[in-house]
Amino acid sequence: NAGVTQTPKFRVLKTGQSMTLLCAQDMNHEYMYWYRQDPGMGLRLIHYSVGEGTTAKGEVPDGYNVSRLKKQNFLLGLESAAPSQTSVYFCASSYVLQPQHFGDGTRLSIL
Amino acid sequence: GQQVMQIPQYQHVQEGEDFTTYCNSSTTLSNIQWYKQRPGGHPVFLIQLVKSGEVKKQKRLTFQFGEAKKNSSLHITATQTTDVGTYFCAGPQGGSEKLVFGKGTKLTVNP
Repeated sequence: NAGVTQTPKFRVLKTGQSMTLLCAQDMNHEYMYWYRQDPGMGLRLIHYSVGEGTTAKGEVPDGYNVSRLKKQNFLLGLESAAPSQTSVYFCASSYVLQPQHFGDGTRLSIL
Repeated sequence: GQQVMQIPQYQHVQEGEDFTTYCNSSTTLSNIQWYKQRPGGHPVFLIQLVKSGEVKKQKRLTFQFGEAKKNSSLHITATQTTDVGTYFCAGPQGGSEKLVFGKGTKLTVNP
């Protein structure tokens, strides 16, 4: 079973470039989340979605946009990457108010 | 806003010693979840506690939810090298679909 799949796994960008991170889940989960993880900071919620066509801001949404056009996919976009966005990005999904299943993460470096 | 605090931030033990991490919330929680993240890996759900004073065991791991539902602990008996990783607690923000994660306790085990 694939579970939660994130692409790409690694990426290096230059400041000002844009990119999209893709998260796909095959568990028919309603809820999907994007987190970033930085050393000593734990997991911080960027954006989340409670269903197809809906998105909401989390704790650290600035500089990011998201879309959930299909139930199984949740896209995270960086319009103009900044060095402060160097991080490990995790996508997660869950049934309504149930524990979250995480993807393997995307390691993003911005030079 | 709601905060979830974990202590200690780091813990280094000798194999065979016990280990405990503590989690405290600024507000009453409807439930608390624990996750483990191995080095280089992604968070993996361990357990969810719902009832006041609840205690659950998974082999050498004992999880406890406080009577006031504002604190929790994870105790590992006789640590093994396979226990290495970062342990996170997380609680729902208000009654919502969002989780607030503690910053985690990083456990290292010396063989």
